[in-house]
Amino acid sequence: GAVVSQHPSRVICKSGTSVKIECRSLDFQATTMFWYRQFPKKSLMLMATSNEGSKATYEQGVEKDKFLINHASLTLSTLTVTSAHPEDSSFYICSAWTGGEGSNEQFFGPGTRLTVL
Amino acid sequence: GEDVEQSLFLSVREGDSSVINCTYTDSSSTYLYWYKQEPGAGLQLLTYIFSNMDMKQDQRLTVLLNKKDKHLSLRIADTQTGDSAIYFCAESTSGNTPLVFGKGTRLSVIA
Repeated sequence: GAVVSQHPSRVICKSGTSVKIECRSLDFQATTMFWYRQFPKKSLMLMATSNEGSKATYEQGVEKDKFLINHASLTLSTLTVTSAHPEDSSFYICSAWTGGEGSNEQFFGPGTRLTVL
Repeated sequence: GEDVEQSLFLSVREGDSSVINCTYTDSSSTYLYWYKQEPGAGLQLLTYIFSNMDMKQDQRLTVLLNKKDKHLSLRIADTQTGDSAIYFCAESTSGNTPLVFGKGTRLSVIA
């Protein structure tokens, strides 16, 4: 099946720094990628929808200036957490949709665990 | 908005069957999914079902869908200790729409 990777898998940073997380579709082109956030022992909450070549669509309550999303190519989307604070510590998961009529499956990355000290 | 509800915990003995239940509110849901998440790991798609199906079986997994009641269940036959994980129910209206997840059911398998 299709593979989605995320890098890094784990990152620890100091408060005030910025962190970039990459989401790559390894063996397919992803028209659309989604970024989710998961708090400990909680469900996944959608942060934003990322379409290649256009601006991301953010969910209500998600600060677009804090969580910068760039979908520069059909195989790469990046999420940059700017000026990170401890409350941004979370598990960030991306998913990618292959596109095409009848294609319903989204493929999830393994997630990136961000810890902000 | 859409909502997906699951019970939070389920405990079963090894070898027994596990049944995890889920209800959803969006009547336009087209695809319904079950994902498995082990500690510290990402999501693994177990199976999915189209809304025009009533049942889908895949080895030890059986998914039942009652569209009228908006109720989805996942049955795991002969549950093993390796099945211990959090199971998420999710729904979407199409492939290019984001999934709406339930809070997850933590399955504990007792040896």
